[in-house]
Amino acid sequence: DAGVIQSPRHEVTEMGQEVTLRCKPISGHDYLFWYRQTMMRGLELLIYFNNNVPIDDSGMPEDRFSAKMPNASFSTLKIQPSEPRDSAVYFCASSLGREGARGQYFGAGTRLSVL
Amino acid sequence: KNQVEQSPQSLIILEGKNCTLQCNYTVSPFSNLRWYKQDTGRGPVSLTIMTFSENTKSNGRYTATLDADTKQSSLHITASQLSDSASYICVVGAGTASKLTFGTGTRLQVTL
Repeated sequence: DAGVIQSPRHEVTEMGQEVTLRCKPISGHDYLFWYRQTMMRGLELLIYFNNNVPIDDSGMPEDRFSAKMPNASFSTLKIQPSEPRDSAVYFCASSLGREGARGQYFGAGTRLSVL
Repeated sequence: KNQVEQSPQSLIILEGKNCTLQCNYTVSPFSNLRWYKQDTGRGPVSLTIMTFSENTKSNGRYTATLDADTKQSSLHITASQLSDSASYICVVGAGTASKLTFGTGTRLQVTL
């Protein structure tokens, strides 16, 4: 398996624009997680899905953020409208089971810069 | 509030030396503790996972210990290599749903 695949790797946009980040989890994994990482706050869990259903979105910072998982092999994280403080690296991770015997498998991340 | 604190924030060691990274947590009820390694520009990779009943776990040159009484964990790296240069993140799971709390990491640099 190619692992968790995220796209794009880098995104530069202007404040107010809509941003969509994409994730393809590892085939067969039933949990998918979206994280945000900044120097100041480290890794923060935004939302996670189980079998394509959102389970906990308490980490989503505000209504500008939304996430969907239309099927087992694809998820999106959308920011609309984007703001400079959204600049961060966004990671998608997947696991088999909530715990994941070997932890969660992370993608390479999307580095977002909002100007 | 659940918290995970790691020390030191950063560390520089010579290749071949050993080092120990610390993780203190105030997470309740404790479920498990994980150590991740994150290379620059990459996503974190799991090194070890320990539950309440485990007090040590090894993965090659990496050995994690857990003291559930003092709520402390350490990650010991033996005979460091240049490829060990990375950030090491301690993550603690709480409750049956294992809500995760992340430390901010220790940045390790191994030099010649």
